[in-house]
Amino acid sequence: EVQLVESGGGLVKPGESLRLSCAASGFPFSTIWWSWVRQAPGKGLEWVGRIKSKTDGETTDYNTPVQGRFTISRDDSKDVLFLQMNSLKIEDTAIYYCTAGFNIYWGQGTLVTVSS
Amino acid sequence: SYELTQPPSVSVSPGQTARITCSGDELPKKYVYWYQQKSGQAPVLVIYEDTKRPSGNPERFSGSSSGTMATLTISGAQVEDEADYYCFSADNSDNLYVFGSGTKVTVL
Repeated sequence: EVQLVESGGGLVKPGESLRLSCAASGFPFSTIWWSWVRQAPGKGLEWVGRIKSKTDGETTDYNTPVQGRFTISRDDSKDVLFLQMNSLKIEDTAIYYCTAGFNIYWGQGTLVTVSS
Repeated sequence: SYELTQPPSVSVSPGQTARITCSGDELPKKYVYWYQQKSGQAPVLVIYEDTKRPSGNPERFSGSSSGTMATLTISGAQVEDEADYYCFSADNSDNLYVFGSGTKVTVL
């Protein structure tokens, strides 16, 4: 059974940092491109960024609003995906989902709240 | 920045056909993916690569794409199909991806 479990969300102040994790099971983690998608309260889905597989160079791409502040990484030895979020802004408040491939599988999400 | 345009809402009677459109300049060259999100739940993939349906998904969901417009069709809509639907695709660089703004489907 495919399972994605995000963790690490919480309440932080503007300017602070947070690292999210996504533990995957049920399929070959290392061969898949992984993404993070977020959804602000009452809003639509927003693609955050993606990391390719190691065989495809493990390169990353990010959406403009998070470019330079967020970093996606992966640990293929532990089947875990990460999202390091620095210099957080109030507008980063959202549920953050990790997704596999072209968002074929989704976790249940973890809530990040940025507030003073 | 690249955008995908969807109608904000679509209403349909039970058993009738609902069509949700998604328009974008790069769609003639890029695949479209469709997701269903019910209230309080994570999204679920309903169509991938324009027309393919994941195994186990209801056959009443189908996808098509022509030119700069892709369409998700729900044939014989059911009350349980009430949800927000999002299209998703890549820009011309294949390094940036975008979701459409979402369409709320009401079945009543």
